[in-house]
Amino acid sequence: GDSVTQMEGPVTLSEEAFLTINCTYTATGYPSLFWYVQYPGEGLQLLLKATKADDKGSNKGFEATYRKETTSFHLEKGSVQVSDSAVYFCALSDPGDYKLSFGAGTTVTVRA
Amino acid sequence: EPEVTQTPSHQVTQMGQEVILRCVPISNHLYFYWYRQILGQKVEFLVSFYNNEISEKSEIFDDQFSVERPDGSNFTLKIRSTKLEDSAMYFCASSKKETQYFGPGTRLLVL
Repeated sequence: GDSVTQMEGPVTLSEEAFLTINCTYTATGYPSLFWYVQYPGEGLQLLLKATKADDKGSNKGFEATYRKETTSFHLEKGSVQVSDSAVYFCALSDPGDYKLSFGAGTTVTVRA
Repeated sequence: EPEVTQTPSHQVTQMGQEVILRCVPISNHLYFYWYRQILGQKVEFLVSFYNNEISEKSEIFDDQFSVERPDGSNFTLKIRSTKLEDSAMYFCASSKKETQYFGPGTRLLVL
């Protein structure tokens, strides 16, 4: 079945550092790919998405590119802030059934 | 901006009791979902609902679970006889197509 593998955390960074969270997937078809973020004590918020190969999703300074050849969707941000401290989830959905399969989540802590 | 809402935010119940978790999806969405997240673990799919019927369910979604859309706005998850291992955060989500929007969750604690 479909699955998502994320870089294990936790990740601790200083403000203005570069952040990368690796995400690879296994799917039978051509899934849509998502990054969701969960801030402390809150629910899941959609951060960005890409629905086909070579698409780049971007939002709030975060970017991820759908790489079919490497089955990856790595999340990057060039300069993190303390407010980016959260748990980040990579997820995929197959065309047609739309249910999401999530990675384990990566906890990111940004220190001032 | 439209949001998915969930009530209650927290629920404490005794083992064996029934609970109903409520969700109001975004109004023009057609697909509805429940997920759960046991503390410290990944988010797991429970069930999807479309056109007034279950479209897919996971192995977790056994006979103790049921979903209903009793009117044009609410979407409910019922657990008939709660177990200790049902303690988790339960998220409702809705979508027009593949992009799902999540509610803030209901934290369920079974004692």
